[in-house]
Amino acid sequence: DVKVTQSSRYLVKRTGEKVFLECVQDMDHENMFWYRQDPGLGLRLIYFSYDVKMKEKGDIPEGYSVSREKKERFSLILESASTNQTSMYLCASSLLGGVGQETQYFGPGTRLLVL
Amino acid sequence: AQSVAQPEDQVNVAEGNPLTVKCTYSVSGNPYLFWYVQYPNRGLQFLLKYITGDNLVKGSYGFEAEFNKSQTSFHLKKPSALVSDSALYFCAVRVYNFNKFYFGSGTKLNVKP
Repeated sequence: DVKVTQSSRYLVKRTGEKVFLECVQDMDHENMFWYRQDPGLGLRLIYFSYDVKMKEKGDIPEGYSVSREKKERFSLILESASTNQTSMYLCASSLLGGVGQETQYFGPGTRLLVL
Repeated sequence: AQSVAQPEDQVNVAEGNPLTVKCTYSVSGNPYLFWYVQYPNRGLQFLLKYITGDNLVKGSYGFEAEFNKSQTSFHLKKPSALVSDSALYFCAVRVYNFNKFYFGSGTKLNVKP
């Protein structure tokens, strides 16, 4: 069964802290994605990666960075957390090619509160 | 620019009645269209997708969606709503040969007993 896991379900951090959100998938997917979800705005893509050590900016990359050192793991880093980064963060993965490439599989999400 | 619109923030329907959740899209190129559902404090779950072929696609939990190219729409439907269908529904589009997905803002479906 397809599985995407995220390191924390809830996280509380202070302004200025460096925050690490981790995502692991066990499906050998090439693509991995980080989104943030805010009411009324839907999902907005922060970064995605289509291979180890490869990354591309999404629509709202400012204030974030990512790391993909292993195929199964994709980390989102908030270099210096700010209150406007309080949000739900969702990780997803998908195949790069083939029939199944179209479908993304999502983790349960991390709800981050920055005080 | 690619975009997806879900014109209704909320849809209310009585249990047993048919439901429709609307989605329109704007893309350059052939679209791949998806519906996802999100239950409270959970990630998104895949419901169904349109890639090519028959315009009516069937998915999980009795949901179906109709691709209408002329109206650039992909509305989600179910003949008889259940209270357990109450959730947040997202429409998404991907353009062929690109890895990025574009999501709508979501529609909250409330099914009342």
